Amino acid sequence: GESVGLHLPTLSVQEGDNSIINCAYSNSASDYFIWYKQESGKGPQFIIDIRSNMDKRQGQRVTVLLNKTVKHLSLQIAATQPGDSAVYFCAENPGFGDGTTLTVKP
Amino acid sequence: GAVVSQHPSWVICKSGTSVKIECRSLDFQATTMFWYRQFPKQSLMLMATSNEGSKATYEQGVEKDKFLINHASLTLSTLTVTSAHPEDSSFYICSTRSNTEAFFGQGTRLTVV
Repeated sequence: GESVGLHLPTLSVQEGDNSIINCAYSNSASDYFIWYKQESGKGPQFIIDIRSNMDKRQGQRVTVLLNKTVKHLSLQIAATQPGDSAVYFCAENPGFGDGTTLTVKP
Repeated sequence: GAVVSQHPSWVICKSGTSVKIECRSLDFQATTMFWYRQFPKQSLMLMATSNEGSKATYEQGVEKDKFLINHASLTLSTLTVTSAHPEDSSFYICSTRSNTEAFFGQGTRLTVV
């Protein structure tokens, strides 16, 4: 089937820096993408979504960018905090990518 | 508050027994419920999609007779792991969606001994 995957399995940043997590997808017909955060031992938590008719969407401290030409998504987290440490997944309804573990160093 | 309440949060059972996991939607009509399984350090794997009042659709490789899904009402969906074996030990998660957002249960950690 179609797949959604992530480029890097881990990312380590300093507290206060900006984080960028990338994701590639293979189904060019995909029209809806979601970013999730999962803390250890818990279910995923919705962060932000974007539809294919948009290139960018902003939330609180987070921005999602969609490049349909190269089938690429990114999640940008501004002023990363220790509480942002988690595994981040991009998802294309309803499948999940492999996840990137974000570690924020104080 | 949480839109989806999943219970139990963890369960330990003996090999060969069955375990039922419940997901209740709170103040939300969950027409569709997704059931996922997640192994350590891996992504969520979609097991099946259930629609209220109809049979679940299982993903390839998922045994429908082993993972029984019931979605008899708009507020309750259950997953029963029948004749559980140690290899069924995993983190099971349910999810439902509105037009604008997805909601997940807290997850159930199943350990089969």
